[in-house]
Formats: sequence, structure tokens, C-alpha cells
Amino acid sequence: QVTLRESGPALVKPKETLTLTCTFSGFALSSSGMCVTWIRQSSGKALEWLATIDWEDDKYYTASLKTRLTISSDSFTNQVFLRLTNVDPVDTGSYYCARGPINDAFDFWGDGTEVTVSS
Amino acid sequence: QSALTQPASVSGSPGQSITISCTGTSGDVGTYDLVSWYQQHPGKAPKFLIYEATKRPSGVSYRFSASKSGNTASLTISGLQADDEAYYYCCSYAGSNIYLFGGGTKVTVL
Repeated sequence: QVTLRESGPALVKPKETLTLTCTFSGFALSSSGMCVTWIRQSSGKALEWLATIDWEDDKYYTASLKTRLTISSDSFTNQVFLRLTNVDPVDTGSYYCARGPINDAFDFWGDGTEVTVSS
Repeated sequence: QSALTQPASVSGSPGQSITISCTGTSGDVGTYDLVSWYQQHPGKAPKFLIYEATKRPSGVSYRFSASKSGNTASLTISGLQADDEAYYYCCSYAGSNIYLFGGGTKVTVL
């Protein structure tokens, strides 16, 4: 059974660094073809692909946030991390981690974690 | 790269069929048969519905079908039910390990 769960601070101040954790089970990130992706949704608006890490530890980022994002993983603890520096109120929203892309789709999602950027 | 274009809302009566469009460019939808679709009920995580433009994973109702022509992908919901009322998002591979989502479509069951 594949599950993913996001965790992290609910409130972050502007200009600080946001670090989120995705804890997953039911698959191994080290398996060939496996990936985990972070996707966010700002205040009920559209989904936005942020970053993907794959089984070879290759990392891919959305161009608009590339200088502020870092994705990493710990295969021993089955966790994937997302670090977003210099946060702004526009970074407020729900952050999801998902398994994939597999067959270029995201097949299992966590419930998301809500983040508010405010002083 | 810009988000894919979806209509803001689509509505239909129970039992009817509706179609949601997802328009991209020759750099994403037009080049790759790698479009996926997701359903999201308010306050919930997205649910995976379709992959590789037309394929339905096991466990997803046959009432959901999809197609692609040129730069536009489409999701059709047949036999519309009350529980189908949700937001629907398309997503396309855009090359260089980049993915683009659509702006989302609100489906209302009248």
C-alpha cells in the first residue's frame, strides 16, 4: 500500500526558509524508474509542479523557482525534503508530495500540508 | 512555460456527458502523448484519473475517458453523477523533465 504524508511548519515568516518533509511507504525511491515530486496549490488555485527527485538522485526544478528550491532525499528513512528559501506571502498554499512521475503521471498523493507565509 | 488552458467551469445534469478541454502548445501537449488528469474535491488531495493521454488506471471508473488531438487534450465524464462535482486538472510533460498543469476546471452537477 503506497502512502505519502507531508509535514512541516504551518506558519513561516517572510524571507525565512521553508523546509517540508514527505514521508512515504509502500515503495522504494531507490527502485529503477521511481520518483517523488512536490506540487503546490496556492489558495485554492491551480496546481503547480515544483520539483522532482528520481531514483538516481537526479533533481529537476520549475524554472521560475529554481534559484530558491532544493529537493533532497533520505532513502534510509523513506523521506523526501523540499527547501524553499526567501519565502514570500505568495508562497502561501498547500504543498503536496506525490509519487511519480511514473508513466508521466502522479499516481499517489499525500493529503498536503498547509503553509502560510506571514509576519 | 505557461500553464495549460482549461475552461474555468463546465456543468451538466445527472446522467449527461461533459467534456473538459486542456489546450497547450506544440512544446507540450502537441508533442507528447503524456497528458494526465486529476480530480480534486474541495479540501482533498488530487486523485489520479488518466495517464498517457487516454489510459485509465485500474480502479478508475469507466465513466472517465480521455483523448488528445493536436495541442488539445480532453476529458469526458459520461453518466454524470453528483460525486463528480469537483475540480479537474490536466497535466502535460513539457520536455526536459518539466511538467505543466492546467488552471483547473470546476465541474458542477446541476
